[in-house]
Amino acid sequence: KQEVTQIPAALSVPEGENLVLNCSFTDSAIYNLQWFRQDPGKGLTSLLLIQSSQREQTSGRLNASLDKSSGRSTLYIAASQPGDSATYLCAVRPYNTDKLIFGTGTRLQVFP
Amino acid sequence: NAGVMQNPRHLVRRRGQEARLRCSPVKGHSHVYWYRQLPEEGLKFMVYLQKENIIDESGMPKERFSAEFPKEGPSILRIQQVVRGDSAAYFCASSSGTGGSPGSNQPQHFGDGTRLSIL
Repeated sequence: KQEVTQIPAALSVPEGENLVLNCSFTDSAIYNLQWFRQDPGKGLTSLLLIQSSQREQTSGRLNASLDKSSGRSTLYIAASQPGDSATYLCAVRPYNTDKLIFGTGTRLQVFP
Repeated sequence: NAGVMQNPRHLVRRRGQEARLRCSPVKGHSHVYWYRQLPEEGLKFMVYLQKENIIDESGMPKERFSAEFPKEGPSILRIQQVVRGDSAAYFCASSSGTGGSPGSNQPQHFGDGTRLSIL
């Protein structure tokens, strides 16, 4: 059974710091891994999607890496800003299914 | 292009009533997914539909819950005889399907959710 874990559960940092959020999954048989952002009371915004054959994806100040064999992904946020404050979720799509299995999220607060 | 549209944003029902949640996918998407987020918990998959067909309902409670995605119109998640434990945020997502396992290589785009409160 696929399980997704995110560490840390919460993080509070001053503006300008570079951050690393971690995601681990127990079964490496996945099609892809997706990182999302969720603001309080809002829906999910897709940030990056990494196919199983890829090692990383970049978008602006965000970089996500995937090591499928070890069951890990990291989301790197450069030069953090208060507007980055949100909950960050990772989700994997296992083989032979079309559903996403979500982690429990990392709640990030960036203070000025 | 409009994203995934869900309505209503907030829905209040009394125990025993019916709740209907609607989801209009991104234009051109034929794959719809429903997820539930209970208070202080992560998102859990409920059901996956393609036009007029339920593909995977492994996450849906066996009783009181049903979902449809008709040829015309939005996808509907229906909860009959609601109970307090049904209070949650219900999210819909859509994707387009290409090759291999349908939808497997495409990102899922999420709506803003419907927050259901049961009195």
